[in-house]
Amino acid sequence: QQPVQSPQAVILREGEDAVINCSSSKALYSVHWYRQKHGEAPVFLMILLKGGEQKGHDKISASFNEKKQQSSLYLTASQLSYSGTYFCGTEEPEAGGTSYGKLTFGQGTILTVHP
Amino acid sequence: DTGVSQDPRHKITKRGQNVTFRCDPISEHNRLYWYRQTLGQGPEFLTYFQNEAQLEKSRLLSDRFSAERPKGSFSTLEIQRTEQGDSAMYLCASSLGRASPYSGNTIYFGEGSWLTVV
Repeated sequence: QQPVQSPQAVILREGEDAVINCSSSKALYSVHWYRQKHGEAPVFLMILLKGGEQKGHDKISASFNEKKQQSSLYLTASQLSYSGTYFCGTEEPEAGGTSYGKLTFGQGTILTVHP
Repeated sequence: DTGVSQDPRHKITKRGQNVTFRCDPISEHNRLYWYRQTLGQGPEFLTYFQNEAQLEKSRLLSDRFSAERPKGSFSTLEIQRTEQGDSAMYLCASSLGRASPYSGNTIYFGEGSWLTVV
């Protein structure tokens, strides 16, 4: 069962902030965030491992609440280059607590940033 | 370019023909994945290799789909007797799998191979 992302779409002006949420009904090992522009490959943004961590990269950060099986991606002071579709990919733990990278992706959130 | 590369980038084929896609992962990566993506959807996992061993193939869409990674380097995905429903982008990805648990797998995707079945 794929994770649920919200909102489905968001429109911003340059400099505005946005939050994209990803929710799963299953216990998770990790959450991966990607951005994909039309006709291109998904580009890796960050990975969050179970343990409830939070990560940041420039003006993009994310959190992972392991108990709620939820992750959020925070985009601050958005730039035109942030436009694209954002996907969360969730990974469930395998036997022995390991993982091998089988991701189940949400349906995506379309982010549009206008000047 | 040291990323994941895929070939061909675009393929148009007639229904019933066989097609093969090639993937060259990032050189030191021992794990290789195939995903499929249709318009408006996220990528869908198909299969996975650790070195040359195919460790997960239950998600291959039918017995018309097969994948190989003969020497643990490049991989091929073959679709036999293509159908119009096979039209999609086929994504290859790779990661460096680590022995210790809880280290996570950062997975890098290639540009994808677009398949159109007419």
